[in-house]
Order: sequence, then structure tokens, then C-alpha cells
Amino acid sequence: AQRVTQPEKLLSVFKGAPVELKCNYSYSGSPELFWYVQYSRQRLQLLLRHISRESIKGFTADLNKGETSFHLKKPFAQEEDSAMYYCALSVAPFGSGGGADGLTFGKGTHLIIQP
Amino acid sequence: GAVVSQHPSWVICKSGTSVKIECRSLDFQATTMFWYRQFPKQSLMLMATSNEGSKATYEQGVEKDKFLINHASLTLSTLTVTSAHPEDSSFYICSARVGKGSYEQYFGPGTRLTVT
Repeated sequence: AQRVTQPEKLLSVFKGAPVELKCNYSYSGSPELFWYVQYSRQRLQLLLRHISRESIKGFTADLNKGETSFHLKKPFAQEEDSAMYYCALSVAPFGSGGGADGLTFGKGTHLIIQP
Repeated sequence: GAVVSQHPSWVICKSGTSVKIECRSLDFQATTMFWYRQFPKQSLMLMATSNEGSKATYEQGVEKDKFLINHASLTLSTLTVTSAHPEDSSFYICSARVGKGSYEQYFGPGTRLTVT
């Protein structure tokens, strides 16, 4: 079965400092990887998807298949980045056209940006 | 943007009773909805996949007779916790996907269930 590991429960950095939230996964096939964010008192929302290779709110994440990692990075943290971040994995069923299915989540990292 | 609602947002019930939680896609049709469970300070765990017009697919370890899922329309899925026990107390979150080829899931705000 697939698994997602986020080793840091809590990460605190100062405003303007670089941020890296770690995510490692285990799955024998080719999964889809996502980062979801949950701001205080709000619902989960998609931040990044590995296939799109885009930068959202200054965040980027590169899939490293050799290291089975999908770390989330931002060069200069902002106070509004404080939130709970979840790395998630999806195994698209064969012939589905790549659509995401039920997600396997990591335990999440609480990011705190100090002023 | 796509919005998913859940009702109720918070419910308390007595042991042995059943409680129904609704998940609605407000401005789009969701062919697939997912139900997750989140224990305090833990991550979300997928319980089941709900496809409109067909039986739900449950994850290993999830009792289908206890957690009844119905997806009768393209905008509504319901989760009924039958014969609830205190250990069923948890945060239940649904998400909805627009189409089979769509990768994005839109999440509801969650329902907190407390069984006394």
C-alpha cells in the first residue's frame, strides 16, 4: 500500500527566510503527488500538483522519483503562509486517463512564519 | 470556484443511534465524491469512494454496514453512521471531483461528530 511521510509536525521560520517542507512517499508505481494547504478555520484547498510544475504563491515542488520525494519550497516566507500543509498521493486507476482518485495524506506539517 | 458544503457542521448523538451527514456540490456536478475521516491531530484517512448511481467502494478496514454511503444524484452524497459508538467520534470530511479526468478534489468544511 502507498504511504506518505511528512517528518516535521511543526516548522517555524522567520519572515523572509527560505522554507522547505519535506514529503516522502512510497509506492511501486507512478503516483500523482499534491500539496494541499489548510489555513486557519478554512477548508483544505489544493496548492500544487506535480504534473503541472507550476509555482503557486511562490511555492514550488519537484518530484524526485529517485529519492521518492516531493518537497515543498519557497525562497522567502511570508506571514500569510502560516498554515497546515499536507502532502498527498493519488494512484490513478489503469485506463482512467490520469484522473486523481482518493488521496493518501501525510500527517501534515504546521508551518508558522514568525514576524 | 467549485464549492462543496456539508451538513451538519457539528452533531452530537447518543450511542446506538444513527446520524446522517450530507455532502453537496453547490455549483458543479460531481461524478465522484470521497469521504475522509480525521482524528484529532492526525491526518485525513480515506474511508470510501462514492460514485453517482453505483455502490461505494470502501477502503480496507472500513465497515460498509456501519458507514452507509449513498450517492443518489450528481450533487449529493450522504454518509450515515449507523449504531454509533463513542469511538466513531471524529471529523468527517467529504470531497468532490468534477469528472473522471479531473485531478482536483474540492473539499467540504467537515462535520464534527461526537457520540456520547
